[in-house]
Amino acid sequence: GAVVSQHPSRVICKSGTSVKIECRSLDFQATTMFWYRQFPKQSLMLMATSNEGSKATYEQGVEKDKFLINHASLTLSTLTVTSAHPEDSSFYICSAHDRAKDTQYFGPGTRLTVL
Amino acid sequence: DQQVKQNSPSLSVQEGRISILNCDYTNSMFDYFLWYKKYPAEGPTFLISISSIKDKNEDGRFTVFLNKSAKHLSLHIVPSQPGDSAVYFCAASVFTGTASKLTFGTGTRLQVTL
Repeated sequence: GAVVSQHPSRVICKSGTSVKIECRSLDFQATTMFWYRQFPKQSLMLMATSNEGSKATYEQGVEKDKFLINHASLTLSTLTVTSAHPEDSSFYICSAHDRAKDTQYFGPGTRLTVL
Repeated sequence: DQQVKQNSPSLSVQEGRISILNCDYTNSMFDYFLWYKKYPAEGPTFLISISSIKDKNEDGRFTVFLNKSAKHLSLHIVPSQPGDSAVYFCAASVFTGTASKLTFGTGTRLQVTL
């Protein structure tokens, strides 16, 4: 099946710093990617829809100035958590939409820990 | 407002028996339903899906049933195997114009015992 990668897989940072997470579709082009976060024992919550070449669409309650999304190419979307705080610690997962198959493929996730 | 609900947080089934995982939804605009399997610290992997115009889809040991009038779907795994032990998420999809936006349930942890 299609492969979506995320980098880094795990990151620990100090409070107040910014962290960038990359999501790449390795064998298909994705005009649309999605960013989710998952707290322990909870559902995956959609944060935003990332559209190549245009602004991301954020879900209600997600601060767009805190979670910056850039989708500069058809294979790469980045999520930057700005001025991270301990409450931002979570598991962040991206998915990439393969339009030809109308299927979303998920990345392996990034575990963010903010000290 | 949880539009997709999985009311059983966990389920334990003996190897060889049938596992039935349930999911309820509230939004009648959902047009596609999917089941994902997830291991800790990994992304979800797709298992099986069903269109809202169907009531059953089967793929090997996995069968998904959809009851639109009850806004209920279920995943049947038979026979259950120890390797099936994982968290299962149901997801409901609505097409946004460019891609399908997924709403996930809270997951059910399946434990298949020997």
